Amino acid sequence: QSALTQPASVSGSPGQSITISCTGTSSDVGGYNYVSWYQQHPGKAPKLMIYDVSNRPSGVSNRFSGSKSGNTASLTISGLQAEDEADYYCSSYTSSSLVVFGGGTKLTVL
Amino acid sequence: EVQLVESGGGLVQPGRSLRLSCAASGFTFDDYAMHWVRQAPGKGLEWVSGISWNSGSIGYADSVKGRFTISRDNAKNSLYLQMNSLRAEDTALYYCAKATGPRLLDAFDIWGQGTMVTVSS
Repeated sequence: QSALTQPASVSGSPGQSITISCTGTSSDVGGYNYVSWYQQHPGKAPKLMIYDVSNRPSGVSNRFSGSKSGNTASLTISGLQAEDEADYYCSSYTSSSLVVFGGGTKLTVL
Repeated sequence: EVQLVESGGGLVQPGRSLRLSCAASGFTFDDYAMHWVRQAPGKGLEWVSGISWNSGSIGYADSVKGRFTISRDNAKNSLYLQMNSLRAEDTALYYCAKATGPRLLDAFDIWGQGTMVTVSS
């Protein structure tokens, strides 16, 4: 039950686009279209940003988008804003009927 | 308003037990799977356990299997986590999370504010 692999940090300037990757295996990310992304600001509970690889919950900005290719899922944030600075976590359903999270990525808006 | 409120955390000695509760309101509780997710101080999220809408499917992380038991009482709109044989590495903020649907594979769309568990002698 290994954690999904995410870069520890990414950064970008306001207005730019960034992409956060989330790499797993054929037993999780690659095997199912049940990848989710969560945003967490310091001291706050996580917030669902993307579910089922590419779906946005109501109320989430369309600047956030998700995709998947093989065993790697990606979260893209376009038109970067200061308020996007936060930690981001991916998660996936697994073949063992479990759930696994990535290690998290700290996004810094320069 | 959709809300999840965790309780039951605290300071406990290694090897002892603790029971966490999560009170749900503002939605039809028995329509959705529920989960526990924890976060150690300064660390990332770790899924702990999940239970489907009717308790028919239950899963545990390897790190807690055999020590923790998840359960739900749909009549009381409540989720529970019985934690036995606690270890120092179980120290974390424990979040209760609602799934977007009835199955374990559904994403988590509503989170509580968490209850802190500290395991220390």
